[in-house]
Amino acid sequence: DARVTQTPRDKVTEMGQEVTMRCQPILGHNTVFWYRQTMMQGLELLAYFRNRAPLDDSGMPKDRFSAEMPDATLATLKIQPSEPRDSAVYFCASGLTGGYNEQFFGPGTRLTVL
Amino acid sequence: AQKVTQAQTEISVVEKEDVTLDCVYETRDTTYYLFWYKQPPSGELVFLIRRNSFDEQNEISGRYSWNFQKSTSSFNFTITASQVVDSAVYFCALRSYNTDKLIFGTGTRLQVFP
Repeated sequence: DARVTQTPRDKVTEMGQEVTMRCQPILGHNTVFWYRQTMMQGLELLAYFRNRAPLDDSGMPKDRFSAEMPDATLATLKIQPSEPRDSAVYFCASGLTGGYNEQFFGPGTRLTVL
Repeated sequence: AQKVTQAQTEISVVEKEDVTLDCVYETRDTTYYLFWYKQPPSGELVFLIRRNSFDEQNEISGRYSWNFQKSTSSFNFTITASQVVDSAVYFCALRSYNTDKLIFGTGTRLQVFP
């Protein structure tokens, strides 16, 4: 049963520290998405990739966030420096390109910045 | 502009009651796709169903049913004889034919009490 995996599942860090979240998309999927979920803002799309190329990162604070796909099996989301307002659950999702295809979500990384 | 509205923030029912979750969408596209996801307390978003804009047939899957009406731009979700395990946040989402991005509603939290 193929699943999207994310590490770490939980991360507690102090303000100013660098945070790296990792995602392994489902093998064969060519689109990868990063979402952030908070009580106030709901689900927000931060960035997405198609065939490893970044297509849209307009939802991401550029000064501190960066997203990359070094290879087809790994996507990373980095925050440097982290701030308390970055505390949220970060989800990675993958899928096949094409409007009718669903996205498959990972379990999320719960980030707490103190 | 595309938008998904889930006006019901929270619904509480007693087990075995039927419950309908509303979803209203806005789009100017003639080809688009609609989705429902479930987010149980464990946190992971689980895909439930998708529909394309040319298929207005209602769908039933066990206790779940979906009513798609283009005339009212609605894609409502009904759970028949609700159970405690149905307690979750349910998200409706919209995708245009020419993008991989999903537009999510704000979600409806369903609580089913024994």
